[in-house]
Amino acid sequence: DIVMTQSPDSLAVSLGERATINCKSSQSVLYSSNNKNYLAWFQQKSGQPPKLLIYWASTRESGVPDRFSGSGSGTDFTLTISSLQAEDVAVYYCHQYYGTPPYSFGQGTKLEI
Amino acid sequence: EVQLVESGGGLVQPGGSLRLSCAASGFTFSSYWMRWVRQAPGKGLEWVANIKEDGSEKYYVDSVKGRFTISRDNAKNSLYLQMNSLRAEDTAVYYCARGLVGDWGQGTLVTVSS
Repeated sequence: DIVMTQSPDSLAVSLGERATINCKSSQSVLYSSNNKNYLAWFQQKSGQPPKLLIYWASTRESGVPDRFSGSGSGTDFTLTISSLQAEDVAVYYCHQYYGTPPYSFGQGTKLEI
Repeated sequence: EVQLVESGGGLVQPGGSLRLSCAASGFTFSSYWMRWVRQAPGKGLEWVANIKEDGSEKYYVDSVKGRFTISRDNAKNSLYLQMNSLRAEDTAVYYCARGLVGDWGQGTLVTVSS
């Protein structure tokens, strides 16, 4: 089974500054036949269900602000918030959906101002 | 607008059973894989189960295999999770979600306690 490990567990970033969250998978989630990384990023605000931000490692979901971006391939991925806004305070999760289940999430990264 | 509304959660004793339902609307239900994801109080997300569009393939996390059953009724646009032999560690908010990564419902709380 694929294990997802995020770093850091929490971070505090000033308003307007860049926030970077890392995610590492225990094996590659890149499917060679279509060159797609089966990796998504979710944002969960307090008391709310998770919201999809990024899929295929770097494709932004419709309606997601362009300050959110995803990068990486294979086993190492990054979520970047280019200029932190107050409404970005949340827990962020990476998620692999590669091949036949089981699928898995990272442990989450708590982002604060 | 995609809507996913879970129901059926509640308080149940260890060893008991519950059946969760998820009513879907705003999309062609029969064209999507569906999944259940849970979140224990104050903890992270855990994928629980997936079911293929026609119900022919089902997958589970190891911790629920043999106890939980995912199913669907495409005529009723509904997803289900039958949970048997419940344990304290199954206590969580259970989310119904569309596709492999798409839209989530608001969740329903399952509490397993005596």
